[in-house]
Amino acid sequence: DTGVSQNPRHKITKRGQNVTFRCDPISEHNRLYWYRQTLGQGPEFLTYFQNEAQLEKSRLLSDRFSAERPKGSFSTLEIQRTEQGDSAMYLCASSPYPRLGKETQYFGPGTRLLVL
Amino acid sequence: AQKITQTQPGMFVQEKEAVTLDCTYDTSDQSYGLFWYKQPSSGEMIFLIYQGSYDEQNATEGRYSLNFQKARKSANLVISASQLGDSAMYFCAMRELNDYKLSFGAGTTVTVRA
Repeated sequence: DTGVSQNPRHKITKRGQNVTFRCDPISEHNRLYWYRQTLGQGPEFLTYFQNEAQLEKSRLLSDRFSAERPKGSFSTLEIQRTEQGDSAMYLCASSPYPRLGKETQYFGPGTRLLVL
Repeated sequence: AQKITQTQPGMFVQEKEAVTLDCTYDTSDQSYGLFWYKQPSSGEMIFLIYQGSYDEQNATEGRYSLNFQKARKSANLVISASQLGDSAMYFCAMRELNDYKLSFGAGTTVTVRA
């Protein structure tokens, strides 16, 4: 399978705990994105990497959230001191360098987080 | 301001019939891309079809076609010959010039009846 993979697929944690999610993009893709999706809504952008550089962060990404992409390969998203409002699906996507202005983002299966 | 509007929360369609999902968008950019994704209950977002703002012809991918009306800022998805496996949530999204992120609508749930 050469698609985007995410681990874990499901995570249940207690309020106040830290959690970390991992995303492995499609191997030749240099761009990586994180989105958050709450029930009944479309995904909302969190952050974007081009290779190892984090180029944009959404206002949704509070100081409890941190994302890394060491060596421009896999990425991790950590949430510290989780709150019940963090319960959501966290989606990772990757894309190649745009060609002719077209850039399609390919998504992973997501990590469903439930904070009790 | 909402950039993508999907006004149909849910739709039912009979198997083998066609269904049209509405999407309108808001941008002041001249160059942008429009995307449709399918999200089954498993959660994965599956890319379906892309339309560039400068593309003169409507995009088609198998049973999916995009009815692009630039002046009206609409990008409706048409699914022909619906199958039971088409039952899912469908999202319209846009990427504007010099922006990285996709802006998504709230989605439309499609249920295909046998």
